[in-house]
Amino acid sequence: DIQMTQSPASLSASVGETVTITCRASENIYSYLAWYQQKQGKSPQLLVYNAKTLAEGVPSRFSGSGSGTQFSLKINSLQPEDFGSYYCQHHYGTPFTFGSGTKLEIK
Amino acid sequence: EVKLLESGGGLVQPGGSLKLSCAASGFDFSRYWMSWVRQAPGKGLEWIGEINPDSSTINYTPSLKDKFIISRDNAKNTLYLQMSKVRSEDTALYYCARGGGLYYLDVWGAGTTVTVSS
Repeated sequence: DIQMTQSPASLSASVGETVTITCRASENIYSYLAWYQQKQGKSPQLLVYNAKTLAEGVPSRFSGSGSGTQFSLKINSLQPEDFGSYYCQHHYGTPFTFGSGTKLEIK
Repeated sequence: EVKLLESGGGLVQPGGSLKLSCAASGFDFSRYWMSWVRQAPGKGLEWIGEINPDSSTINYTPSLKDKFIISRDNAKNTLYLQMSKVRSEDTALYYCARGGGLYYLDVWGAGTTVTVSS
């Protein structure tokens, strides 16, 4: 099974800052990588798919990059609504696996 | 509006069984892979398994393969998760999501809660 290693586990930042979350796959997953945002008490929402394509309605301050085994999600100019948890997930065959998550909190 | 609505969660005794449903609306359900994902209290997301549009391919995460069965009824636009031999570790919020195969999960339901306790 492909393992996804996500870091950091938690992150504290202020409104207006730029943050980066990384995800490493245990083997080559090409660009089959998605990022999800989950706010407290809500279901996950798709942010990025195929490593760098923004889902519909996602603000341009979010960007995804990487291929192969190394990926990152960058959020420019953090907004109050961006705080929550973020998960990466590979979608290159089964079983799909998620990263362990990053909790982004307000400093 | 594209929508997924899970139901069927509740309290179940250890060793018992439960069947969850996920009603889809707003899209052609019969054309999409569908998945189940769960989240234990305070924990991360765990992919349970997937089913392709005509039910000819069903895949599970290995640790749950002998406990859970995924099925679908395209005529009823409904996805199912049959849970058996449940244990306390199966206590979680269960989500259905559109996607699977090589496709990301682009639509999620609100989830249904399963609590395993005597």
